[in-house]
Amino acid sequence: AQSVTQPDIHITVSEGASLELRCNYSYGATPYLFWYVQSPGQGLQLLLKYFSGDTLVQGIKGFEAEFKRSQSSFNLRKPSVHWSDAAEYFCAVEKTQAGTALIFGKGTTLSVSS
Amino acid sequence: KAGVTQTPRYLIKTRGQQVTLSCSPISGHRSVSWYQQTPGQGLQFLFEYFSETQRNKGNFPGRFSGRQFSNSRSEMNVSTLELGDSALYLCASSFSEAGELFFGEGSRLTVL
Repeated sequence: AQSVTQPDIHITVSEGASLELRCNYSYGATPYLFWYVQSPGQGLQLLLKYFSGDTLVQGIKGFEAEFKRSQSSFNLRKPSVHWSDAAEYFCAVEKTQAGTALIFGKGTTLSVSS
Repeated sequence: KAGVTQTPRYLIKTRGQQVTLSCSPISGHRSVSWYQQTPGQGLQFLFEYFSETQRNKGNFPGRFSGRQFSNSRSEMNVSTLELGDSALYLCASSFSEAGELFFGEGSRLTVL
C-alpha cells in the first residue's frame, strides 16, 4: 500500500541556519510527490512538486527538494531559514490512478529560534 | 482571482446531528476534493468530485457523503455525528487531474 513517512515530528532550527525535512514514500511506480506547508489556522499551500525529469525541484519561498528513487526519499531543503518559515510541513504522494487524491505524511512542525 | 472558500469556518454540533459543509472552488477549477485533518490521524482523503461525478473515495463510512453542483461548488455532509468526527475539514480545488491542489482554510467541526 502507498504510504508516506515523515520521521521527524518536530524540528527546531536557528534563524539563518539550513533546514532539511525528511520524507520517505512507498510507491510501486514513479510517484507524483508534493510538499505542502500549513501555517496555524490556515489551509495548505503547495511549496513544490515532482512529476518527472530533473530530480532537484525548486519551489516557492526558497525551498527545494531532491527526489532519490534508490532511497525512496523526497527531502525538503532550504539553505537559510527565516522566522516566517515556522509552520507545519507535509509531504504527500498521489494515489495511484486516483485523480488528485493525495496520501499525506503526518507532518513535521518546524520551529525557528532567534 | 479568489481562492477556495469554505463555509462555515467554525461550527459546533452534538452527537447524532448532521452537518453540511460548503466549498466554492477557484473559478475554472472543475475538481474538488475533501480532506479530514485530525491530530491523531493527520490528513486523510475523503472524496473527490469532477464535473459533478464522484471520481474517488477514501476509506470513510457511508455517513460521509458529498456532491458537486454544475457550477463546481461542492458540499459534504456528515450524518449521525460522532465525537471522533471532530476535525478540520479541508476542501481543495484543482484545474487538472495531476496538478496542484489549492486548499481553503477549512471548516473546523467540534462534536460535543
